[in-house]
Amino acid sequence: GQNIDQPTEMTATEGAIVQINCTYQTSGFNGLFWYQQHAGEAPTFLSYNVLDGLEEKGRFSSFLSRSKGYSYLLLKELQMKDSASYLCAVETNAGKSTFGDGTTLTVKP
Amino acid sequence: DGGITQSPKYLFRKEGQNVTLSCEQNLNHDAMYWYRQDPGQGLRLIYYSQIVNDFQKGDIAEGYSVSREKKESFPLTVTSAQKNPTAFYLCASKGTRSGTEAFFGQGTRLTVV
Repeated sequence: GQNIDQPTEMTATEGAIVQINCTYQTSGFNGLFWYQQHAGEAPTFLSYNVLDGLEEKGRFSSFLSRSKGYSYLLLKELQMKDSASYLCAVETNAGKSTFGDGTTLTVKP
Repeated sequence: DGGITQSPKYLFRKEGQNVTLSCEQNLNHDAMYWYRQDPGQGLRLIYYSQIVNDFQKGDIAEGYSVSREKKESFPLTVTSAQKNPTAFYLCASKGTRSGTEAFFGQGTRLTVV
């Protein structure tokens, strides 16, 4: 089976930096995705990590440590529109993606 | 334009009735997935299909059924055996190469009254 843990809620201030953590336990790990989901909408892809290290993409960066079963999503220069749920998803070599429960981020002025 | 389409966006059904949710994609993706999302929770996998005429149960398959007769289509039937069917249902497709992201439909919000 798979177990994915993320904090339920986080709050940050506009312009600040926030780090959303994800820990996982799985067999047949293939890679890890981060998705953003606004309320009532479909998730959209943010990043993918398969090797250890940091992947940077504009204001968003994602880090992976395979040995520790740990990833984080880093959001810089927060904007109000970044208020959303952030979902960590683990892909296995069986082709399945299992999602965590998501972290609801609220950005305040 | 390529994409993945779910219909309808909102669906109301009486308790005890079966209902089928549509999912169509023209992205030429081999893999398709159905997820259920309850308020404040993440996505839970119902069924998935890696290739036409084949599909596997996900983590919460009981009370649901699917078919994959065409590459483009992966309909989900919510049967009367599903004890608590009211939820937000999301369909996704992706290429089978490792690391390709999933593309999601806009979702169907099913309410059983």
